Amino acid sequence: KAGVTQTPRYLIKTRGQQVTLSCSPISGHRSVSWYQQTPGQGLQFLFEYFSETQRNKGNFPGRFSGRQFSNSRSEMNVSTLELGDSALYLCASSLAEGLAGVKGNEQFFGPGTRLTVL
Amino acid sequence: QKEVEQDPGPLSVPEGAIVSLNCTYSNSAFQYFMWYRQYSRKGPELLMYTYSSGNKEDGRFTAQVDKSSKYISLFIRDSQPSDSATYLCAMSWTYNNNDMRFGAGTRLTVKP
Repeated sequence: KAGVTQTPRYLIKTRGQQVTLSCSPISGHRSVSWYQQTPGQGLQFLFEYFSETQRNKGNFPGRFSGRQFSNSRSEMNVSTLELGDSALYLCASSLAEGLAGVKGNEQFFGPGTRLTVL
Repeated sequence: QKEVEQDPGPLSVPEGAIVSLNCTYSNSAFQYFMWYRQYSRKGPELLMYTYSSGNKEDGRFTAQVDKSSKYISLFIRDSQPSDSATYLCAMSWTYNNNDMRFGAGTRLTVKP
């Protein structure tokens, strides 16, 4: 069974540009969550999608957006990039919505997309 | 002050040692507590999940939650070089979504 895949794995952008990251969940998983990981702030929740609907959003500016398609694949977009957006962006999928780990709803993470903003 | 505090280490122990990893938190609403393991250049993987206070054991791993002290721990018995990774604690007040709060992660090295 293939794991969560994220593309691209590495990305270099300049300030002011926008970027789109892609995540393909494990087959059959309908919930996709996105996280940002930086050395300073650690791992932070961005948003969660289930059945093409955003279920929850973390404390990030509106420049961060996402969507989920009918096949459960998800994309996240960051507009007007800032230097502080340099980070590892992780996508995770699970069977159902709700907290990963509860009632066997294990969440699987992808390897991440490392974004560098120059 | 961060909601979740975790000593980033690094922590280095000899093979076979008992490892103790800890997090403290300030939000008394947290009810769900998780430990993740993250190998270099990989995404995190869920190790342990605990609801409310108490202990939970899974093989060489034991998770403890003390809500009165706002303190959680992960113990690794008979540590192995393959346990070398960064360990992140995470917690949430709800089971309705994945809006968790993570610790900074403790980098552990187990030396053969």
